[in-house]
Amino acid sequence: AQSVSQHNHHVILSEAASLELGCNYSYGGTVNLFWYVQYPGQHLQLLLKYFSGDPLVKGIKGFEAEFIKSKFSFNLRKPSVQWSDTAEYFCAVILNRDDKIIFGKGTRLHILP
Amino acid sequence: GAVVSQHPSWVICKSGTSVKIECRSLDFQATTMFWYRQFPKQSLMLMATSNEGSKATYEQGVEKDKFLINHASLTLSTLTVTSAHPEDSSFYICSAGALGYNEQFFGPGTRLTVL
Repeated sequence: AQSVSQHNHHVILSEAASLELGCNYSYGGTVNLFWYVQYPGQHLQLLLKYFSGDPLVKGIKGFEAEFIKSKFSFNLRKPSVQWSDTAEYFCAVILNRDDKIIFGKGTRLHILP
Repeated sequence: GAVVSQHPSWVICKSGTSVKIECRSLDFQATTMFWYRQFPKQSLMLMATSNEGSKATYEQGVEKDKFLINHASLTLSTLTVTSAHPEDSSFYICSAGALGYNEQFFGPGTRLTVL
């Protein structure tokens, strides 16, 4: 079955540290890839998405992600995190054969001030 | 554009009662709507997919008689939790997709607490 794996369940960083959250998916066909963020007590917000073209995608709030097709990966990065980045981050995939979105289990990011 | 709303944002009800949650696409026509459930500190779990004018497709393990989904128009889908019990307490989130969009637009969620 198709799945999305997020390797880090809980990450704790200090402000200004660099961030990389891993995401791998298992599907050999064409996919659309997403990263969502959920701030405490709030709803899901789209950070960035990849459909095609340049595999390095820039999103909101200084986040970026790189699609590496050979590794089935779509890791999220930010060079310098802020306390306000404390949230839960979800990687997600839509398989082009249908409309369903498959979510990873999420990574809880805690930034120490 | 592509805004999805949910109503109510939170609801508390007694055990045994039914609760209806609405999901509306405000500025686009949603050919497909999805209902998710999110337990505390967990990821979203897809409950069902509904296409306008047809019966919803439920994921394995989701009771269709308990979670009634209606997608009567291209801008409205409803989820009714029938005979709610405390274990149904959760955060319910809807999303909507439209022709030509390879993504889903998420509503803000509804927090259901069953006493």
